[in-house]
Amino acid sequence: EAQVTQNPRYLITVTGKKLTVTCSQNMNHEYMSWYRQDPGLGLRQIYYSMNVEVTDKGDVPEGYKVSRKEKRNFPLILESPSPNQTSLYFCASSSSAGLGEKLFFGSGTQLSVL
Amino acid sequence: GESVGLHLPTLSVQEGDNSIINCAYSNSASDYFIWYKQESGKGPQFIIDIRSNMDKRQGQRVTVLLNKTVKHLSLQIAATQPGDSAVYFCAENRSGGSYIPTFGRGTSLIVHP
Repeated sequence: EAQVTQNPRYLITVTGKKLTVTCSQNMNHEYMSWYRQDPGLGLRQIYYSMNVEVTDKGDVPEGYKVSRKEKRNFPLILESPSPNQTSLYFCASSSSAGLGEKLFFGSGTQLSVL
Repeated sequence: GESVGLHLPTLSVQEGDNSIINCAYSNSASDYFIWYKQESGKGPQFIIDIRSNMDKRQGQRVTVLLNKTVKHLSLQIAATQPGDSAVYFCAENRSGGSYIPTFGRGTSLIVHP
C-alpha cells in the first residue's frame, strides 16, 4: 500500500531535549516536506526536499533541521525543542517537486513540549 | 506573502443535501489548485485538483470550479453523507515558482443525519 509513515504518533518531551520525528514513503517520490498545523493558522511548511541531499527552508524553518540521505526518508530534527514548537506535524511527499502534483500526507505527529 | 483564504469556517448541512465550500486566492500567478479533506485525527487527503487552463473538473460526487477572473475556487459535494464530515481546505501552487504550496485555513463541514 502506497503510504507516508510518520513516527511517533504522539510525543511529549521537555524543553531542550533533542528529538527526531521520522518520515518514510514507499512511493519513490522525489519531493518530501514537513508541515506544522496550528489552530487558526492552517498548514505551514517547515522544510522541503526536492531530492536526495537537496533541502530548503519553507515558511517556518527556525528551530528545525532536516536531512535527506536516502530518497525514502526525511526526518525532522528538533535540536532544542521549545514550548512554541508544540504542534501537530505532518510529513508529505509528491512525485514531482510539489509544483503541480498532489501531496500524500502522513497521519501526523502530535508533539507537546513542556 | 500572498495567501489562500476561506469564506466560511463552518458549514452545516443535512445528509443528502449538496455542499459548497468556497476558497479565495490572491496570487494571480497560481496555476494549480487542490482540495484536501482532513478527517479528525488523520492527515490531509487529496480529493480533486484543477489546473488554471480549466474552469471545471468533476470527480466522484465532487466538482471543483475555478473562476480566475475573481480568483475564486469552490468545491461542490453532491448528496453529502455523514462520512463527508471533515475539514476541507484548498491549496494553491505556482509552476516554476517556489516549492511552497499555500494552504487555506480550512472549512469544517458538519453533516447531520
